Amino acid sequence: DTGVSQDPRHKITKRGQNVTFRCDPISEHNRLYWYRQTLGQGPEFLTYFQNEAQLEKSRLLSDRFSAERPKGSFSTLEIQRTEQGDSAMYLCASSDHPSPGQGFVGYTFGSGTRLTVV
Amino acid sequence: AQKITQTQPGMFVQEKEAVTLDCTYDTSDPSYGLFWYKQPSSGEMIFLIYQGSYDQQNATEGRYSLNFQKARKSANLVISASQLGDSAMYFCAMREVTTDSWGKFQFGAGTQVVVTP
Repeated sequence: DTGVSQDPRHKITKRGQNVTFRCDPISEHNRLYWYRQTLGQGPEFLTYFQNEAQLEKSRLLSDRFSAERPKGSFSTLEIQRTEQGDSAMYLCASSDHPSPGQGFVGYTFGSGTRLTVV
Repeated sequence: AQKITQTQPGMFVQEKEAVTLDCTYDTSDPSYGLFWYKQPSSGEMIFLIYQGSYDQQNATEGRYSLNFQKARKSANLVISASQLGDSAMYFCAMREVTTDSWGKFQFGAGTQVVVTP
């Protein structure tokens, strides 16, 4: 297993265009997370999938954002009508399902997709 | 409200010296985990060390140790014998086990560490 893969690594797009990012998690991980990281800040939670079900969405995820995880494997994050404020690093992470009361879970990040909206 | 606070935006440290990165947290969940991640300029988040709220001893992983002071709600990272390759952004993160069953992390703003020869 090569870890969590994200594609593309970099994306430059014009304002108003749609973009789609892909995340391939570690195969045995049933939990998948998307985070957004702006310059000089820590990652902020966007959304979470357990298998194919999207169980939580942050208020940061406006109507222009949509995420899917068909068949509980890879996930896509689409941003419609991109704005300059969408410029950020989009990180995907996957983890095991923890045992009850377990604080530590194997949580692996991908290398991210850096989006620049011009 | 910010749950993870890292008050040091940036630090310079000389090679072979130790450095302490501060992290304070805020939670009412009795069960939580504290994590430190390293993010080099390439962007990937690299797991360094974990401390559970019920762990009696401070966590250590090689040159990394976590100074866990539960009453003060602090979880400082100590890097001993700094190396040039330690230059990176360091993030403190928390997972609240009881109140958040989905397992998401809350991150601090990070501390940029530059190791000089």
